[in-house]
Amino acid sequence: EIVLTQSPATLSLSPGERATLSCRASQSVNSYLAWYQQKPGQAPRLLIYDASNRATGIPARFSGSGSGTDFTLTISSLEPEDFAVYYCQQRSNWITFGQGTRLEIK
Amino acid sequence: EVQLLESGGGLVQPGGSVRLSCAASGFTFSSYGMNWVRQAPGKGLEWVSGISGSGGSTYCADSVKGRFTISRDNSKNTLYLQMNSLRAEDTAVYYCAKMVFGVVFGYMDVWGKGTTVTVSS
Repeated sequence: EIVLTQSPATLSLSPGERATLSCRASQSVNSYLAWYQQKPGQAPRLLIYDASNRATGIPARFSGSGSGTDFTLTISSLEPEDFAVYYCQQRSNWITFGQGTRLEIK
Repeated sequence: EVQLLESGGGLVQPGGSVRLSCAASGFTFSSYGMNWVRQAPGKGLEWVSGISGSGGSTYCADSVKGRFTISRDNSKNTLYLQMNSLRAEDTAVYYCAKMVFGVVFGYMDVWGKGTTVTVSS
């Protein structure tokens, strides 16, 4: 099983700041990695797929990068609605998720 | 509008069974792989099971293998999860999700609102 480790567990930032979230895989997943956003009481929403492609309707402030084992989700300038939990997910070998990063308002 | 609507959750005794349903609309259901993903209270996401568009290929996580069975009825645009021998650790919100590219092991671009299964005596 491919284990995805996200860091940090919690990230405290203010609106307008830049957020950088990390996801590390226990073995290479090539570029087969996605990022999801989940708000309380809601289902996850797909943000990024294949490491760097924005899903339909996702604002340009969200970007993804990386390949192999190290991946990054960047939110260039935080909006109030961006504070949520973010998960990475790989599809290289079955499907696994990271444990999540909580992005909270500082 | 593309939509998924789960149903069938509730309170179940340990060792009991329940069948979840997921009604799909707004897309060609048979063309897409579908998955079930669960989230225990206060925890992260866990992939549970997946099925190909035709229903001919199915997959389950080790944690539920032999107890849960995924299936679909393309004539009814409905996905199912039969859950047997339930344990307390199966307590979670269960989401059905549509795959982006049709394959089973892919990315999930449409999610239902979820249905809650609570296993307790």
